[in-house]
Formats: sequence, structure tokens, C-alpha cells
Amino acid sequence: GQQLNQSPQSMFIQEGEDVSMNCTSSSIFNTWLWYKQEPGEGPVLLIALYKAGELTSNGRLTAQFGITRKDSFLNISASIPSDVGIYFCAGLGLGGGYNKLIFGAGTRLAVHP
Amino acid sequence: NAGVMQNPRHLVRRRGQEARLRCSPMKGHSHVYWYRQLPEEGLKFMVYLQKENIIDESGMPKERFSAEFPKEGPSILRIQQVVRGDSAAYFCASSPVLAGGFLYEQFFGPGTRLTVL
Repeated sequence: GQQLNQSPQSMFIQEGEDVSMNCTSSSIFNTWLWYKQEPGEGPVLLIALYKAGELTSNGRLTAQFGITRKDSFLNISASIPSDVGIYFCAGLGLGGGYNKLIFGAGTRLAVHP
Repeated sequence: NAGVMQNPRHLVRRRGQEARLRCSPMKGHSHVYWYRQLPEEGLKFMVYLQKENIIDESGMPKERFSAEFPKEGPSILRIQQVVRGDSAAYFCASSPVLAGGFLYEQFFGPGTRLTVL
């Protein structure tokens, strides 16, 4: 099936540092979504991207939809302890069909105070 | 506006029993999706439903699994004769239909964690 390659798999950083993670695919997607999941909870939508080249911010989070429509990145600036969690990218459309999200395996973020 | 509701949050079943997982979408959302998540993995699509219709079940195992979204009431994911390999977190998501018929964001519930003994 369709796959998204998400990296890095995990990150251990100091509070205040910036974080960058990305997703790549061999397939084209129409929409890229970034979610955060905390233990025992469902994924929470952080940012949605709809157009190639689009750069969108949500507070300290910034995400971009790659020009080729096959990749996306998420940056977190000035990390804080509550940023801890698993961050998932997900693609929608063309690459996996218009109905189902294709998820990456996640980036596990740990922030040390 | 309440979010996506799922119950139960935790479900324990013995091998061979049936598991029923319920999902109530966000108000105004008529599209429901079910995903399964194994430990240390991302979510995997199972099925997409609209009211009274299964639109895409390409991710559903061919046997023992079924889903419905009746005209009234929540969506149900049913697993018959559960086996240990069915142990996972099952998430429901819902989305609105926007202008032009496009589907965009999917909003997730808290999940049901199924443990098969």
C-alpha cells in the first residue's frame, strides 16, 4: 500500500530548541495534515495544508506543503515541555485515495527542561 | 460543540468473543472513518462510511470485521470471534463535506483500546 516515510523516528531535545521533522512519499498528495498524539488520546489536528508550496503557521508551529506535492515538513520553534508527544504526518488524495488518510509512522518528541 | 465521541475507552475481551466499538461523529459531520493503531505505529485506514452506506472498506479484514453507520445512532465497528492479534487502539474520525464536495480535515476521537486475552 501507499506509504509515508517520516523522519526522524524520535528526537530528544532541550527546552527552547527548535525542532524539524518531515515526511516524504513516492506518491502525490492533495492535502497534507499534521497531527499530535499524546499517550492514551486520539490524534489532534495541528495544521492542514492544501496547496503545493503553501506555508502555514499555528503559533510556534510552521508547516509547508512541498512543491512536488510529495513531501511536507513541520517545524516547532522554542520547544516547551508540553510539546512532548508523537507527531504524525498524514496525506490525503491521489496517493492514497480521496477518502482515507495515509499516516507516517510518527516522530516521538521528548523535551528536557 | 462536542468532539468525536467513542466508547468504551477500554475494552477487554477473551478470544472468541465479540467486540463492539461505538463512535458518534461531531455535530454536523456525516462522514465517519475507522482507523487501527498498533503500538509504535501510525494509524491504518479501515473503513469510510456515510449514513447508511459503506463507501470504502478497502482497509477492513475480509473476515470477522464489519462496520455500520445507521440513519439514527452511532457508527459501530464490530469484531466477531476476536483473536489476540486484534488487540490495538481503534480510532474513529469524522469530517464535514465542504463546498464542492471535497473532504478535508478529519477530526479524531479518543479511541477504544481493545485488549484480547
